[in-house]
Amino acid sequence: GAVVSQHPSRVICKSGTSVKIECRSLDFQATTMFWYRQFPKKSLMLMATSNEGSKATYEQGVEKDKFLINHASLTLSTLTVTSAHPEDSSFYICSAQKERVVRNEQFFGPGTRLTVL
Amino acid sequence: GDSVTQMEGPVTLSEEAFLTINCTYTATGYPSLFWYVQYPGEGLQLLLKATKADDKGSNKGFEATYRKETTSFHLEKGSVQVSDSAVYFCALENQGGKLIFGQGTELSVKP
Repeated sequence: GAVVSQHPSRVICKSGTSVKIECRSLDFQATTMFWYRQFPKKSLMLMATSNEGSKATYEQGVEKDKFLINHASLTLSTLTVTSAHPEDSSFYICSAQKERVVRNEQFFGPGTRLTVL
Repeated sequence: GDSVTQMEGPVTLSEEAFLTINCTYTATGYPSLFWYVQYPGEGLQLLLKATKADDKGSNKGFEATYRKETTSFHLEKGSVQVSDSAVYFCALENQGGKLIFGQGTELSVKP
């Protein structure tokens, strides 16, 4: 199989603090990882594409200074929400691809529920 | 831009009923089409896919046919089970290799 984990599964933080979410591929090497945001009753929206060893590519409208992405190894990508505010509360989901190939299957993590008070 | 529209939920069915979840898309070129399923507390799982017109994807009794003429990829199952209760997402992969998702349809199957 191809298992992707996320940690933590839930996090509650105070406004103004930073939160780090980890995405790990447990049994394969992921050259590309994706970060999505899902609002209630809404679709998943791609935030950024992360390639190991290089800077992430952000989608239009996503603040790169607010959502810091680091893909330091072939099995780990992190998303840091800096100076979080209540409007950042959402469900964040990552996915991973085994190889840097367009149209290669993405394997999804279980998601992280972020609540900013 | 590319987009996916699927029927709104929640959809509530009795066990062994027939299921259809409609999905239509707008895209440049000929995208690959997918159905993903998200069970409570879990990540998205690929349910089935089709990569070209008239292809039929199938898995676990679910089917969907890539209809280019109607730009549709409706999900069907002849007899649903309680264990099929989940949220279903239709998606396309655009020319840049990115997944574009529909808004999801929640299915609840009652015994």
